[in-house]
Amino acid sequence: AAGVIQSPRHLIKEKRETATLKCYPIPRHDTVYWYQQGPGQDPQFLISFYEKMQSDKGSIPDRFSAQQFSDYHSELNMSSLELGDSALYFCASSIRYTADTQYFGPGTRLTVL
Amino acid sequence: AQSVSQHNHHVILSEAASLELGCNYSYGGTVNLFWYVQYPGQHLQLLLKYFSGDPLVKGIKGFEAEFIKSKFSFNLRKPSVQWSDTAEYFCAVYSSNTGKLIFGQGTTLQVKP
Repeated sequence: AAGVIQSPRHLIKEKRETATLKCYPIPRHDTVYWYQQGPGQDPQFLISFYEKMQSDKGSIPDRFSAQQFSDYHSELNMSSLELGDSALYFCASSIRYTADTQYFGPGTRLTVL
Repeated sequence: AQSVSQHNHHVILSEAASLELGCNYSYGGTVNLFWYVQYPGQHLQLLLKYFSGDPLVKGIKGFEAEFIKSKFSFNLRKPSVQWSDTAEYFCAVYSSNTGKLIFGQGTTLQVKP
Protein backbone atom coordinates (compact mmCIF):
# COMPACT_ATOMS: atom_id res chain seq x y z
CA ALA A 1 0.00 0.00 0.00
CA ALA A 2 1.13 3.52 -0.76
CA GLY A 3 2.55 5.45 2.17
CA VAL A 4 3.35 9.04 2.98
CA ILE A 5 6.39 10.25 1.08
CA GLN A 6 8.73 12.88 2.39
CA SER A 7 11.66 14.52 0.73
CA PRO A 8 14.45 14.99 1.25
CA ARG A 9 15.19 12.33 3.84
CA HIS A 10 18.23 14.13 5.13
CA LEU A 11 19.12 17.80 4.94
CA ILE A 12 22.11 19.69 6.24
CA LYS A 13 21.98 23.47 6.42
CA GLU A 14 23.97 26.30 7.95
CA LYS A 15 22.57 28.73 10.48
CA ARG A 16 20.41 31.48 8.96
CA GLU A 17 19.81 29.46 5.79
CA THR A 18 16.40 28.37 4.55
CA ALA A 19 15.03 24.88 4.03
CA THR A 20 12.00 23.45 2.29
CA LEU A 21 10.57 20.08 3.26
CA LYS A 22 8.03 18.30 1.09
CA CYS A 23 5.31 15.85 1.95
CA TYR A 24 3.16 13.74 -0.36
CA PRO A 25 0.17 12.24 1.44
CA ILE A 26 -1.34 8.83 0.88
CA PRO A 27 -3.61 8.93 -2.19
CA ARG A 28 -7.13 10.20 -1.36
CA HIS A 29 -5.95 11.65 1.94
CA ASP A 30 -6.86 15.31 2.07
CA THR A 31 -5.36 16.29 5.42
CA VAL A 32 -1.70 16.80 6.16
CA TYR A 33 -0.03 17.32 9.52
CA TRP A 34 3.53 18.40 10.34
CA TYR A 35 5.37 17.36 13.48
CA GLN A 36 8.79 18.10 14.89
CA GLN A 37 10.62 15.49 16.94
CA GLY A 38 13.74 16.59 18.77
CA PRO A 39 16.35 14.06 19.95
CA GLY A 40 14.83 11.79 22.57
CA GLN A 41 11.55 13.68 22.54
CA ASP A 42 7.99 12.97 21.50
CA PRO A 43 6.62 14.43 18.27
CA GLN A 44 5.29 17.95 18.66
CA PHE A 45 2.48 19.13 16.42
CA LEU A 46 3.36 22.10 14.24
CA ILE A 47 0.56 22.72 11.77
CA SER A 48 -2.10 20.98 9.72
CA PHE A 49 -3.95 21.53 6.47
CA TYR A 50 -7.31 20.28 5.27
CA GLU A 51 -8.42 20.77 1.69
CA LYS A 52 -5.57 23.22 1.10
CA MET A 53 -6.55 25.45 4.00
CA GLN A 54 -4.70 25.71 7.30
CA SER A 55 -6.85 23.85 9.78
CA ASP A 56 -4.88 24.03 12.99
CA LYS A 57 -1.69 25.46 14.36
CA GLY A 58 0.56 24.18 17.10
CA SER A 59 3.97 25.23 18.31
CA ILE A 60 5.24 26.40 14.95
CA PRO A 61 7.77 29.26 15.03
CA ASP A 62 6.98 32.40 13.06
CA ARG A 63 10.08 31.66 10.96
CA PHE A 64 8.29 28.60 9.59
CA SER A 65 5.45 28.59 7.11
CA ALA A 66 3.64 25.87 5.27
CA GLN A 67 1.04 25.34 2.62
CA GLN A 68 -0.91 22.59 0.94
CA PHE A 69 -1.21 22.54 -2.83
CA SER A 70 -3.99 21.51 -5.20
CA ASP A 71 -2.60 17.97 -5.45
CA TYR A 72 -2.67 17.83 -1.60
CA HIS A 73 1.08 17.70 -1.20
CA SER A 74 2.44 20.07 1.40
CA GLU A 75 5.64 22.03 1.89
CA LEU A 76 7.15 23.28 5.11
CA ASN A 77 9.34 26.32 4.61
CA MET A 78 11.85 27.15 7.29
CA SER A 79 13.82 30.37 7.27
CA SER A 80 16.60 31.85 9.41
CA LEU A 81 17.48 28.39 10.62
CA GLU A 82 18.79 28.01 14.14
CA LEU A 83 20.79 25.22 15.74
CA GLY A 84 17.71 24.30 17.76
CA ASP A 85 15.78 23.55 14.59
CA SER A 86 17.83 20.36 14.16
CA ALA A 87 15.26 17.61 14.48
CA LEU A 88 13.27 14.97 12.68
CA TYR A 89 10.32 16.47 10.85
CA PHE A 90 7.43 14.13 10.25
CA CYS A 91 4.53 14.57 7.96
CA ALA A 92 1.35 12.60 8.51
CA SER A 93 -1.81 12.33 6.48
CA SER A 94 -5.37 11.27 7.13
CA ILE A 95 -8.45 10.81 5.02
CA ARG A 96 -10.19 13.79 6.48
CA TYR A 97 -9.71 16.37 9.14
CA THR A 98 -11.31 14.51 11.98
CA ALA A 99 -10.12 12.10 14.56
CA ASP A 100 -9.21 9.64 11.85
CA THR A 101 -5.96 7.76 12.01
CA GLN A 102 -2.86 9.67 11.01
CA TYR A 103 -0.29 7.77 8.99
CA PHE A 104 3.25 9.00 9.26
CA GLY A 105 5.94 9.40 6.66
CA PRO A 106 9.59 8.42 7.13
CA GLY A 107 10.58 11.91 8.20
CA THR A 108 13.18 14.42 7.14
CA ARG A 109 16.20 14.67 9.39
CA LEU A 110 17.31 18.29 9.42
CA THR A 111 20.73 19.15 10.78
CA VAL A 112 21.62 22.79 11.24
CA LEU A 113 25.34 23.48 11.62
CA ALA B 1 -3.48 20.87 31.97
CA GLN B 2 -4.38 18.38 29.30
CA SER B 3 -1.65 15.82 28.82
CA VAL B 4 -0.69 12.28 27.90
CA SER B 5 1.53 10.51 30.38
CA GLN B 6 3.53 7.36 29.87
CA HIS B 7 4.72 5.93 33.15
CA ASN B 8 7.80 4.08 32.05
CA HIS B 9 10.52 5.91 30.19
CA HIS B 10 12.86 2.97 29.76
CA VAL B 11 11.97 -0.70 30.07
CA ILE B 12 14.40 -3.58 29.77
CA LEU B 13 13.05 -7.11 29.36
CA SER B 14 14.34 -10.50 28.41
CA GLU B 15 12.84 -12.31 25.44
CA ALA B 16 9.58 -14.12 26.24
CA ALA B 17 8.83 -11.80 29.16
CA SER B 18 5.44 -10.12 29.29
CA LEU B 19 5.10 -6.43 28.59
CA GLU B 20 2.77 -3.77 29.89
CA LEU B 21 3.30 -0.10 29.13
CA GLY B 22 1.13 2.41 30.91
CA CYS B 23 -0.57 5.40 29.33
CA ASN B 24 -2.87 7.88 31.02
CA TYR B 25 -4.47 10.97 29.60
CA SER B 26 -6.25 13.92 31.09
CA TYR B 27 -8.36 15.13 28.17
CA GLY B 28 -12.06 15.61 28.35
CA GLY B 29 -14.58 15.05 25.64
CA THR B 30 -14.48 12.28 23.11
CA VAL B 31 -11.05 10.72 22.73
CA ASN B 32 -9.50 8.43 20.18
CA LEU B 33 -6.48 6.53 21.41
CA PHE B 34 -3.45 5.24 19.57
CA TRP B 35 -0.22 3.42 20.14
CA TYR B 36 2.59 4.04 17.68
CA VAL B 37 5.94 2.27 17.50
CA GLN B 38 9.17 3.76 16.23
CA TYR B 39 11.91 1.27 15.45
CA PRO B 40 15.47 2.60 15.54
CA GLY B 41 16.01 5.04 12.71
CA GLN B 42 12.51 4.58 11.34
CA HIS B 43 9.25 6.45 11.27
CA LEU B 44 6.19 6.11 13.45
CA GLN B 45 4.05 3.10 12.64
CA LEU B 46 0.55 2.51 13.93
CA LEU B 47 0.35 -0.47 16.32
CA LEU B 48 -3.33 -0.22 17.24
CA LYS B 49 -6.11 2.24 17.87
CA TYR B 50 -9.32 2.61 19.83
CA PHE B 51 -12.25 4.69 18.65
CA SER B 52 -15.25 2.97 20.21
CA GLY B 53 -16.73 -0.44 20.97
CA ASP B 54 -14.83 -3.27 22.61
CA PRO B 55 -12.32 -1.63 24.96
CA LEU B 56 -9.84 -4.43 24.37
CA VAL B 57 -8.24 -3.86 21.01
CA LYS B 58 -5.78 -6.04 19.19
CA GLY B 59 -3.07 -4.66 16.98
CA ILE B 60 -0.26 -5.90 14.84
CA LYS B 61 2.59 -8.13 15.98
CA GLY B 62 0.66 -9.59 18.92
CA PHE B 63 0.12 -6.29 20.75
CA GLU B 64 -3.13 -5.41 22.46
CA ALA B 65 -4.36 -2.53 24.56
CA GLU B 66 -7.22 -1.99 26.96
CA PHE B 67 -9.14 1.25 27.27
CA ILE B 68 -10.39 1.84 30.80
CA LYS B 69 -12.49 4.97 30.68
CA SER B 70 -12.85 5.33 34.45
CA LYS B 71 -9.08 5.35 34.83
CA PHE B 72 -8.36 7.45 31.73
CA SER B 73 -5.90 4.74 30.74
CA PHE B 74 -4.93 2.91 27.57
CA ASN B 75 -2.23 0.43 28.52
CA LEU B 76 -0.32 -1.55 25.93
CA ARG B 77 0.38 -5.24 26.49
CA LYS B 78 2.13 -8.13 24.84
CA PRO B 79 2.30 -11.60 26.44
CA SER B 80 5.75 -12.51 25.14
CA VAL B 81 8.18 -9.97 23.73
CA GLN B 82 10.81 -10.63 21.10
CA TRP B 83 14.17 -9.03 20.47
CA SER B 84 12.65 -7.40 17.37
CA ASP B 85 10.23 -5.48 19.62
CA THR B 86 13.10 -3.24 20.71
CA ALA B 87 11.82 0.22 19.83
CA GLU B 88 10.30 3.43 21.13
CA TYR B 89 6.58 3.24 21.92
CA PHE B 90 4.35 6.30 21.89
CA CYS B 91 0.86 6.60 23.24
CA ALA B 92 -1.17 9.30 21.48
CA VAL B 93 -4.57 10.79 22.17
CA TYR B 94 -6.84 12.71 19.84
CA SER B 95 -9.29 14.79 21.81
CA SER B 96 -12.37 16.39 20.32
CA ASN B 97 -11.78 19.29 22.73
CA THR B 98 -8.37 20.16 21.32
CA GLY B 99 -8.66 18.81 17.79
CA LYS B 100 -5.04 17.69 17.98
CA LEU B 101 -3.13 14.44 18.27
CA ILE B 102 -0.96 14.69 21.37
CA PHE B 103 1.83 12.25 22.10
CA GLY B 104 3.13 10.93 25.37
CA GLN B 105 6.83 11.19 26.16
CA GLY B 106 7.52 7.73 24.78
CA THR B 107 8.83 4.53 26.34
CA THR B 108 12.06 2.98 25.15
CA LEU B 109 11.77 -0.80 25.20
CA GLN B 110 14.96 -2.83 25.09
CA VAL B 111 14.56 -6.57 24.73
CA LYS B 112 17.61 -8.65 25.54
CA PRO B 113 18.05 -11.82 23.47
